[in-house]
Amino acid sequence: EVHVVESGGGLVKPGGSLRLSCAASGFTFSTYDMNWVRQAPGKGLEWVSSISSSSSYIYYADSVKGRFTISRDNAKNSLYLQMNSLRAEDTAVYYCAREEIYTSGSYSAKWFDPWGQGTLVTVSS
Amino acid sequence: SYELTQPPSVSVSPGQTASITCSGDKLGDKYACWYQQKSGQSPVLVIYQDTKRPSGIPERFSGSNSGNTATLTISGTQAMDEADYYCQAWDSNTVVFGGGTKLTVL
Repeated sequence: EVHVVESGGGLVKPGGSLRLSCAASGFTFSTYDMNWVRQAPGKGLEWVSSISSSSSYIYYADSVKGRFTISRDNAKNSLYLQMNSLRAEDTAVYYCAREEIYTSGSYSAKWFDPWGQGTLVTVSS
Repeated sequence: SYELTQPPSVSVSPGQTASITCSGDKLGDKYACWYQQKSGQSPVLVIYQDTKRPSGIPERFSGSNSGNTATLTISGTQAMDEADYYCQAWDSNTVVFGGGTKLTVL
């Protein structure tokens, strides 16, 4: 069965750092692009970052650019998110999600399946 | 930046049809997908590539996308369908989510 499991969340002070991990199983991790998505308490979903299968292409939301770094280790079937200079507004459940893609001509569809159970990051003094 | 707009809430009676819309500039020229998130749980994909259902998703879930609007339709809505629903599209190497719609089954 296809699974992704996040870990590494916790309580951190503003300005601090945290590293999230995502362990994948049940599929060939090295052939899939992966993403991080977050959800602040009581709020909607916000895409954070994506990384291609070989780490050649990396993208970030403007809200985290310059502070967060996504990476992966295909030998360990693992995805990471290094979060620096954390702010109170970064408080959220962070989800790891496998990306699926379909391309037809100049149009592409991307969707996330499955999602992990999430790991809570709380930024507070 | 690209934006997707959803109604904050939709109400439906059991057994009736619920429609949840997602609006964005020329959204019909892109592909949309939909996620269901029940209280305290992770999101689950219910529609991808505008109209396709993943395995395990009931046939009562369907999708369409044309013009500026994508629509998730739930036919014969059941109490278990009560959840938050999010649309999502991809634009210029960024993923965009709608704000979410809370579906209440009265």
